[in-house]
Amino acid sequence: GDQVEQSPSALSLHEGTGSALRCNFTTTMRAVQWFQQNSRGSLINLFYLASGTKENGRLKSTFNSKESYSTLHIRDAQLEDSGTYFCAAEGGGYQNFYFGKGTSLTVIP
Amino acid sequence: NAGVIQTPRHKVTGKGQEATLWCEPISGHSAVFWYRQTIVQGLEFLTYFRNQAPIDDSGMPKERFSAQMPNQSHSTLKIQSTQPQDSAVYLCASSRQGTNSDYTFGSGTRLLVI
Repeated sequence: GDQVEQSPSALSLHEGTGSALRCNFTTTMRAVQWFQQNSRGSLINLFYLASGTKENGRLKSTFNSKESYSTLHIRDAQLEDSGTYFCAAEGGGYQNFYFGKGTSLTVIP
Repeated sequence: NAGVIQTPRHKVTGKGQEATLWCEPISGHSAVFWYRQTIVQGLEFLTYFRNQAPIDDSGMPKERFSAQMPNQSHSTLKIQSTQPQDSAVYLCASSRQGTNSDYTFGSGTRLLVI
């Protein structure tokens, strides 16, 4: 089964508003990474967290390994934030990631 | 830093033909990963190399797919006897050994099998 459950699968936000994306993990993960896939299909690295919270501009991410979840908060959404957001969790003995199925975000003017 | 370079960007191949996809990781990155992305299946892990050695190929289809990393500057994904269901975007990523904090994806190769 899927080790990374991402929600919601789709989200629409008006410009200037905010929301949170969430990933739940079915097993203990040691780190999480969030990516944005833009309209050209490029996957852009947003955050890598082994614990705690990181913030960058209008984005903030938290990883709670004990409770097996991570969140990505977007505030003051802009049109260029539209795209698909993926979380990927690092677990086990290898360096490869388990990816969620993504959240498709549409920012509406 | 040119990032992870994937070539070609687009490839159209006839059913039954072979397709070879190339990936050049970021210099100094010793971990290389291959993924496949489709609308239906999403992002699927295929295989992973560390210091050119195959570490985990659990996502590779057992037939027709193979991956190699003959030197630290490039990896190839080869699909023999391509089928329409192989149509996808194939993504390569690289990272330094032992940490994914600088995990970087290439722009992908869009493969269309007709």
